[in-house]
Amino acid sequence: DAGVIQSPRHEVTEMGQEVTLRCKPISGHDYLFWYRQTMMRGLELLIYFNNNVPIDDSGMPEDRFSAKMPNASFSTLKIQPSEPRDSAVYFCASSFLQNIQYFGAGTRLSVL
Amino acid sequence: DQQVKQNSPSLSVQEGRISILNCDYTNSMFDYFLWYKKYPAEGPTFLISISSIKDKNEDGRFTVFLNKSAKHLSLHIVPSQPGDSAVYFCAASGSGSARQLTFGSGTQLTVLP
Repeated sequence: DAGVIQSPRHEVTEMGQEVTLRCKPISGHDYLFWYRQTMMRGLELLIYFNNNVPIDDSGMPEDRFSAKMPNASFSTLKIQPSEPRDSAVYFCASSFLQNIQYFGAGTRLSVL
Repeated sequence: DQQVKQNSPSLSVQEGRISILNCDYTNSMFDYFLWYKKYPAEGPTFLISISSIKDKNEDGRFTVFLNKSAKHLSLHIVPSQPGDSAVYFCAASGSGSARQLTFGSGTQLTVLP
């Protein structure tokens, strides 16, 4: 398996623009997680899905953030409108057994 | 409120010596603990885990120790190699949390040749 695949790897956008981050989990995994990593807050969980259903979105910072999982092999994290303080590395992870989450390479987002 | 703490932001060790990375937690409901390793521009990679019913787990050069009474775990790397230089994250989850992980802030390990 190719692992968790995230796209794009880098995204540079201007404040106010819509940003969409994409994730393909490992085939057969039933949990999908979105994290954000910043210097100030470290790795923080934003939202996670079980069998494509959002379970806990309490980590989503504001209504500007939304996430969907239309099927078992695809998820998106959208920021609309984006702000400079959203600049961070966003990771997607998936899991199946024993709480071991497997991470993608991340998307580095820069909002100017 | 940091439920998982890694108090050492960085650690330098000579090649061939032992590296010891420490992690403390405050939530007594945590019952499963993991260590992840992260290289620059990559995602965290699972390294080793331990359940609260154990106090030690080994995998090759890596051993994790859990002291439940002290709410402390440590990762030992013996012998350390330059390729081990990375950021190490400690993570924890609880039985009722449906696999939700809480991460520490990470420790940058540098293994000097």
